[in-house]
Amino acid sequence: KNEVEQSPQNLTAQEGEFITINCSYSVGISALHWLQQHPGGGIVSLFMLSSGKKKHGRLIATINIQEKHSSLHITASHPRDSAVYICAVILNEKLTFGTGTRLTIIP
Amino acid sequence: KAGVTQTPRYLIKTRGQQVTLSCSPISGHRSVSWYQQTPGQGLQFLFEYFSETQRNKGNFPGRFSGRQFSNSRSEMNVSTLELGDSALYLCASSSMTGSYEQYFGPGTRLTVT
Repeated sequence: KNEVEQSPQNLTAQEGEFITINCSYSVGISALHWLQQHPGGGIVSLFMLSSGKKKHGRLIATINIQEKHSSLHITASHPRDSAVYICAVILNEKLTFGTGTRLTIIP
Repeated sequence: KAGVTQTPRYLIKTRGQQVTLSCSPISGHRSVSWYQQTPGQGLQFLFEYFSETQRNKGNFPGRFSGRQFSNSRSEMNVSTLELGDSALYLCASSSMTGSYEQYFGPGTRLTVT
């Protein structure tokens, strides 16, 4: 069993829909990253959080340390949000990655 | 500030050869981490260097090695290449150690034939 599980693996939605991507992990962690990877490979760190909730524009990330669960939400989704979203936990000062969620937003 | 740069961006090598990839971090950043991304295994941590010292290492064979120079630029080397080493190799820089801040480069896509 992977230490970091993401769901769903693939998600297709219409423009404007509210999107939720989930990440569960099985070990105690220091913090968690949400990453965005566009075709071509470039990765951008969207959030790093160790408790509570963070918001940046239309993106919201939450984490519940006790339940070992984090969610990434996208409000008013747009085709430019189409990308792979990856959850990564910091364990022993190293990143362990989920398998990613491929999000496609249809105009 | 300029972002993280990686060279070369694309590389084709033959099985058995060795390869060296380079990563220049954001100015002022002293930590460089390396990652391998393959379709089968996803993203995996290779190692982290901070102030020229390897601070952390992932579960990769000894064929994978790295180093960091006094200007914080880092290189990773893979010897005796295998077909399974074909991957996107990403580096990330940070002003601190421990993966709490990561600015990723564009990656080097290595193909081993």
